[in-house]
Amino acid sequence: EAGVVQSPRYKIIEKKQPVAFWCNPISGHNTLYWYRQNLGQGPELLIRYENEEAVDDSQLPKDRFSAERLKGVDSTLKIQPAELGDSAVYLCASSPGQGASGNTIYFGEGSWLTVV
Amino acid sequence: SQQGEEDPQALSIQEGENATMNCSYKTSINNLQWYRQNSGRGLVHLILIRSNEREKHSGRLRVTLDTSKKSSSLLITASRAADTASYFCATDRSGNNDMRFGAGTRLTVKP
Repeated sequence: EAGVVQSPRYKIIEKKQPVAFWCNPISGHNTLYWYRQNLGQGPELLIRYENEEAVDDSQLPKDRFSAERLKGVDSTLKIQPAELGDSAVYLCASSPGQGASGNTIYFGEGSWLTVV
Repeated sequence: SQQGEEDPQALSIQEGENATMNCSYKTSINNLQWYRQNSGRGLVHLILIRSNEREKHSGRLRVTLDTSKKSSSLLITASRAADTASYFCATDRSGNNDMRFGAGTRLTVKP
């Protein structure tokens, strides 16, 4: 079974430029998360989707960040314009939701963003 | 916002020793999970403990949960150099798939 796929793996951009990250979750997983992880810190939730609906975007800086989940499957996270402080790893994760085994989250390898 | 806080922030031990990491959280939870992250990689699920459980084992891992103190501990027995990684606790607040992570404990196991 394929895991969560993210691209690009690494991205270096100049400040004020736009950048987009793509995520393909595990097939059948209704819940999709975008997290941001700064160096030496834990993942911070940016947005959570249940199918195509964004049910928690309270941590998403909406002035420059946007996200969408097309047809409840793939998702994109966009930053426009990027700032130096946006340098971080952007992690996508998916889960099948609550079940007998609880809500186990499966992570992609992350997209490493450096803004210069 | 972070939900859990791990303690210690960093831990260095010799191979063969046991490693204990602690996690404290703030709100009521449905379950608590521990994840591992190798340098430059994504997080990998290790173990889940439900709010009505007090202890759980998986191989060399032992997790305890004390809901009255809002805390959990992860014990790795007979550690190996390959256990070197960051370990994070994550809480599912009230079973609505809202997963929040702590800042992590960076474990170094010296061969």
